[in-house]
Amino acid sequence: RKEVEQDPGPFNVPEGATVAFNCTYSNSASQSFFWYRQDCRKEPKLLMSVYSSGNEDGRFTAQLNRASQYISLLIRDSKLSDSATYLCVVNQAGTALIFGKGTTLSVSS
Amino acid sequence: NAGVTQTPKFRILKIGQSMTLQCAQDMNHNYMYWYRQDPGMGLKLIYYSVGAGITDKGEVPNGYNVSRSTTEDFPLRLELAAPSQTSVYFCASSYSSRTDTQYFGPGTRLTVL
Repeated sequence: RKEVEQDPGPFNVPEGATVAFNCTYSNSASQSFFWYRQDCRKEPKLLMSVYSSGNEDGRFTAQLNRASQYISLLIRDSKLSDSATYLCVVNQAGTALIFGKGTTLSVSS
Repeated sequence: NAGVTQTPKFRILKIGQSMTLQCAQDMNHNYMYWYRQDPGMGLKLIYYSVGAGITDKGEVPNGYNVSRSTTEDFPLRLELAAPSQTSVYFCASSYSSRTDTQYFGPGTRLTVL
């Protein structure tokens, strides 16, 4: 099982749609989790951390299921500007961050 | 506060040439990292540093060297460039641990022909 797995997509959705991305991780000792956003030909930037109780930032909601080793990101009311690649990032047992390959989202008008 | 800066933005090398990718941060972060990102692939850690004078290998260190003489700077050296080193290179930094939020520079696009 790969350390961090994501559906590569692409996810093509119209403006206003709700879209969800999933991510699974293999190391049950992982302790911290993040979603990063990467625009085309740009550097990754932190979108949000993922907390055990789940957390929300505007239109974005992140959830963690430790039992299933699963993280999700929900985007509501998609905007054209949400088009990007979303990277799932997991702390590998306190030693390093492991980056998933990313899920590509394309929002169209 | 510029954050993490990288130079050059683009570079084309011939096989066997050498070059240094520059990285600097002005956030007084202790930890710095070099990653490479190939098309459709995740970020792979090349080297990292936990402070001035201390560096360690990441997942894909072969063909690269680093040094950390100051807190601010973390250059990556490519010796004897090979086509397999064609990639986008990102430098990143974090404040207090390898699992903290990492802040990335804009990247260097390197092509080896």
